[in-house]
Amino acid sequence: NAGVTQTPKFQVLKTGQSMTLQCAQDMNHEYMSWYRQDPGMGLRLIHYSVGAGITDQGEVPNGYNVSRSTTEDFPLRLLSAAPSQTSVYFCASSSGLAGGKLSYEQYFGPGTRLTVT
Amino acid sequence: QQQVKQSPQSLIVQKGGISIINCAYENTAFDYFPWYQQFPGKGPALLIAIRPDVSEKKEGRFTISFNKSAKQFSLHIMDSQPGDSATYFCAASPPWDTDKLIFGTGTRLQVFP
Repeated sequence: NAGVTQTPKFQVLKTGQSMTLQCAQDMNHEYMSWYRQDPGMGLRLIHYSVGAGITDQGEVPNGYNVSRSTTEDFPLRLLSAAPSQTSVYFCASSSGLAGGKLSYEQYFGPGTRLTVT
Repeated sequence: QQQVKQSPQSLIVQKGGISIINCAYENTAFDYFPWYQQFPGKGPALLIAIRPDVSEKKEGRFTISFNKSAKQFSLHIMDSQPGDSATYFCAASPPWDTDKLIFGTGTRLQVFP
């Protein structure tokens, strides 16, 4: 199992550009989430999904879009990048109810470091 | 509004010492309290977690102490090792939305030999 993979690892954007951060998991997890990590602020939830076709907003959703067309993939789209979106982005997944047992553990990807100039 | 407050921001401990990181939460509906460990350049990984029906949970050198009435929980690392040097995050979530973790701001732990 590759676990949770994210691409790219690093990205530099100019203000106003758009891009998509990719996230994929091969563990057949129902739940997937996107977080951003900023110094002194911990991790903050951007968007999450409880299954294919279902997404919802987290704590800081403005400026980001998500969709979940398959169980495996959960891309995060930046519509018009702003310097305030400079951050490290983490994708995570968890199995929820699997095999009759609840599992709350979230598995995180390696992150994407995004700089917006 | 910081729903989960974590302290200290940084911690320096000698090898073999005890590392203690504290968290306080506001929402009494929270009922899942994990600790995540993050090494530089990596994503966080679950270290240990507790539910409020117990006051303590121990896994090897790592112990969570939980005080429901005070709305506080803490991570104790016994016999701290240089390999424990990392950033530690506490988190909390309500029972109806366990994937909506609210994280603390993190504690950078450095263990010196």
